[in-house]
Amino acid sequence: EIVMTQSPAILSVSPGERATLSCRASQSISSNVAWYQQKPGQAPRLLMYGASTRATGIPARFSGSGSGTEFTLTISSLQSEDFAVYYCQQYNNWPPEETFGQGTKLEIK
Amino acid sequence: QLQLQESGPGLVKPSETLSLTCSVSGGSISSSGYLWGWIRQPPGKGLEWIGNIYHSGSSNYKPALKSRVTISVDTSKNQFSLKLSSVTAADTAVYYCARRSFQLGWVYWGQGTLVTVSS
Repeated sequence: EIVMTQSPAILSVSPGERATLSCRASQSISSNVAWYQQKPGQAPRLLMYGASTRATGIPARFSGSGSGTEFTLTISSLQSEDFAVYYCQQYNNWPPEETFGQGTKLEIK
Repeated sequence: QLQLQESGPGLVKPSETLSLTCSVSGGSISSSGYLWGWIRQPPGKGLEWIGNIYHSGSSNYKPALKSRVTISVDTSKNQFSLKLSSVTAADTAVYYCARRSFQLGWVYWGQGTLVTVSS
């Protein structure tokens, strides 16, 4: 099973500042990574897919990068609504399994 | 707009089988190019992919759950279902059904349903 490891577990950032979240895969997965945002009591929302493509309706302050085993989600200028838990997910073609990282909680500093 | 809605018992006894159904509206489950899946989240914890299925019936499961999981699709009812056998307290979670396109992430999600395993 491909293991996705996110860091840090908790990230404290002030509004208006930049946040950088990391995700590492236990083996190469090309660019088959998605990022999700989840707020309390809600289903996750897709932010990015293909490591660097924003999903429909996602603001430009969200960006993704990486390939192989190292991936990054950057939020350029944090808004109040961005404080949430973020998950990375791999959906590599083979083996046909998917796994999520354990999540990074982005909290207000 | 595609909508997904989970339904099923909120309480299941240990060793029994958890059964959930996801009803799809605003689109056909028979459309090609999509995966239909189940993802769960234990209280206060992270997301766990359980498995997915194509409209053809071909499925993939998380290896650690494979012996206990069956996902099936009913195109006549525009639904797909999850069965998880021999449940324990560790299977207590919010269960989400969702849809994703190939090479994209899970775009559409149900609201989730809490299933508690307890006697």
